[in-house]
Amino acid sequence: NAGVMQNPRHLVRRRGQEARLRCSPMKGHSHVYWYRQLPEEGLKFMVYLQKENIIDESGMPKERFSAEFPKEGPSILRIQQVVRGDSAAYFCASSPAEVSLATTIGYTFGSGTRLTVV
Amino acid sequence: GQQVMQIPQYQHVQEGEDFTTYCNSSTTLSNIQWYKQRPGGHPVFLIQLVKSGEVKKQKRLTFQFGEAKKNSSLHITATQTTDVGTYFCAGPDSWGKFQFGAGTQVVVTP
Repeated sequence: NAGVMQNPRHLVRRRGQEARLRCSPMKGHSHVYWYRQLPEEGLKFMVYLQKENIIDESGMPKERFSAEFPKEGPSILRIQQVVRGDSAAYFCASSPAEVSLATTIGYTFGSGTRLTVV
Repeated sequence: GQQVMQIPQYQHVQEGEDFTTYCNSSTTLSNIQWYKQRPGGHPVFLIQLVKSGEVKKQKRLTFQFGEAKKNSSLHITATQTTDVGTYFCAGPDSWGKFQFGAGTQVVVTP
């Protein structure tokens, strides 16, 4: 029973290149959330997706960042023309339903992708 | 918008001592969750509190939800080196997604 799978674990990109981060939710989970964690900082919400649908992208930078969760395959967080400030750990979490529905499930996080822009 | 704040940002504790970390929300919460992230690791769900004034215990960890459901605390007794990490609280916003506090980074001195 695999958990949330993220790959790659580490990604190094030169300034101006594109970064693609992948997230496969837990089996049976249909909701995916992406968070960014800068060094020594907390988790900042980026985007909330269901299959083929972006529910909330209020935390996504307006430019260069996009996310998708296709009908088949993993969720993808795409960063175009990366800059040094994009260096961070990007975590994906999944849940079977809105966790605000008084359940004890909580988010299951993947191991994250550590992006380094050189 | 909703803000979740945690204090202290850093907590240096001698092994065997107790400490408490606090979480405050700018809005009333339907529930609050706590997570632990070990150095170099990913956040792991610890517990969820739902009821006003609720208190839950996990071994040496005691979690409390305030009466007004706007604050929460995590108290750890007899701290051990295995308690090292960053503890986050998180509360749901009106869309159902969770907003995380900045975390309390715990360092344990043997």
